[in-house]
Amino acid sequence: DQQVKQNSPSLSVQEGRISILNCDYTNSMFDYFLWYKKYPAEGPTFLISISSIKDKNEDGRFTVFLNKSAKHLSLHIVPSQPGDSAVYFCAARSNFGNEKLTFGTGTRLTIIP
Amino acid sequence: KAGVTQTPRYLIKTRGQQVTLSCSPISGHRSVSWYQQTPGQGLQFLFEYFSETQRNKGNFPGRFSGRQFSNSRSEMNVSTLELGDSALYLCASSFGPKETQYFGPGTRLLVL
Repeated sequence: DQQVKQNSPSLSVQEGRISILNCDYTNSMFDYFLWYKKYPAEGPTFLISISSIKDKNEDGRFTVFLNKSAKHLSLHIVPSQPGDSAVYFCAARSNFGNEKLTFGTGTRLTIIP
Repeated sequence: KAGVTQTPRYLIKTRGQQVTLSCSPISGHRSVSWYQQTPGQGLQFLFEYFSETQRNKGNFPGRFSGRQFSNSRSEMNVSTLELGDSALYLCASSFGPKETQYFGPGTRLLVL
């Protein structure tokens, strides 16, 4: 039962344009969401997070949007740079009961120069 | 500040053997979580330790076990290895259970 889903295994975007990565979740108890970026042969690196009390959080070129009614979040990267090419994982957690992080299967983002 | 370190980085074992992986968290972090990453499966949660106590456990068989020491370092053990255990094993540390997790580079295990 995949509670966090990233339905696009891969995405290619031209350098300088906007990259939009999507994530859907099914567990309505999730109230904290994170995005991680992973390069080959390295562990995931924390990018940005958002609490369910917000619908947007911004950090430099990265913005995460949360639509609680649709159980959907997205990560926007503007402008996209070649160094952004990596696998992006979204993760979710509930602060009630079991607090473990549940990860999606990842989206491989390729930025085309 | 040094990041999360994991040893060894690469490991080759044969079916039936057992393996122990080690994780040293970021200094000051008391929570350590372990994940298994396989192609197409994302990161699957194995277990979480905080102050030497297991707080959470994922849906893995009892062949997978772990522990945490008083200095917050953690080990995970897999007994009676199966081919399907071949994966990247990632360790993440945080100040506490609800804090942001920071990952190590992982241990890539190949079971032949």
